Amino acid sequence: DTAVSQTPKYLVTQMGNDKSIKCEQNLGHDTMYWYKQDSKKFLKIMFSYNNKELIINETVPNRFSPKSPDKAHLNLHINSLELGDSAVYFCASSQDRYTIYFGEGSWLTVV
Amino acid sequence: AQSVAQPEDQVNVAEGNPLTVKCTYSVSGNPYLFWYVQYPNRGLQFLLKYITGDNLVKGSYGFEAEFNKSQTSFHLKKPSALVSDSALYFCAVRDRGNNNAGNMLTFGGGTRLMVKP
Repeated sequence: DTAVSQTPKYLVTQMGNDKSIKCEQNLGHDTMYWYKQDSKKFLKIMFSYNNKELIINETVPNRFSPKSPDKAHLNLHINSLELGDSAVYFCASSQDRYTIYFGEGSWLTVV
Repeated sequence: AQSVAQPEDQVNVAEGNPLTVKCTYSVSGNPYLFWYVQYPNRGLQFLLKYITGDNLVKGSYGFEAEFNKSQTSFHLKKPSALVSDSALYFCAVRDRGNNNAGNMLTFGGGTRLMVKP
């Protein structure tokens, strides 16, 4: 069973559209994250939720809105997509301070 | 602020030879240090971590890393490289704090390891 699963894995969409990426973890972890990996493979945190509460909100455009219906889910909604939003988005989760477990990634291409 | 530097964009090594992937970090206090590996079109897989204790940490797939506080380094090593080790490797640091949710990983830029037969 996949510990951190995210869908879709690949998403191609036009500029201006609104899209969502879903994430679920079955590890019972309290904390979930969204990371963005750009075209140069650089990884940067976007958001962190602990028990459905937003903890970290890095400098991310307001067009990006995370939603956590319960502690096992953290979805990422993106409004008015722009070309520069093309990237790989990784969902992750952790229970302790030590190890973060990542999903397989969602490849977003905006055309 | 915390930061991680991986000075090499790519490391080339012949199969069977030892490999080293370099990582240096900057953090205000004592660090938690991590290595992750990313295979093509895949997510990040946890390899190993340093929390406390022995400076030499052993991880998955025969990898190990040595924490050197004086040099603020956490280089990844393997005695004998395999072609299947070819992947993108990320070093990451997390500052110690009181709140798990308030901590976050800061990643280095990644180093591509190419192991040739």
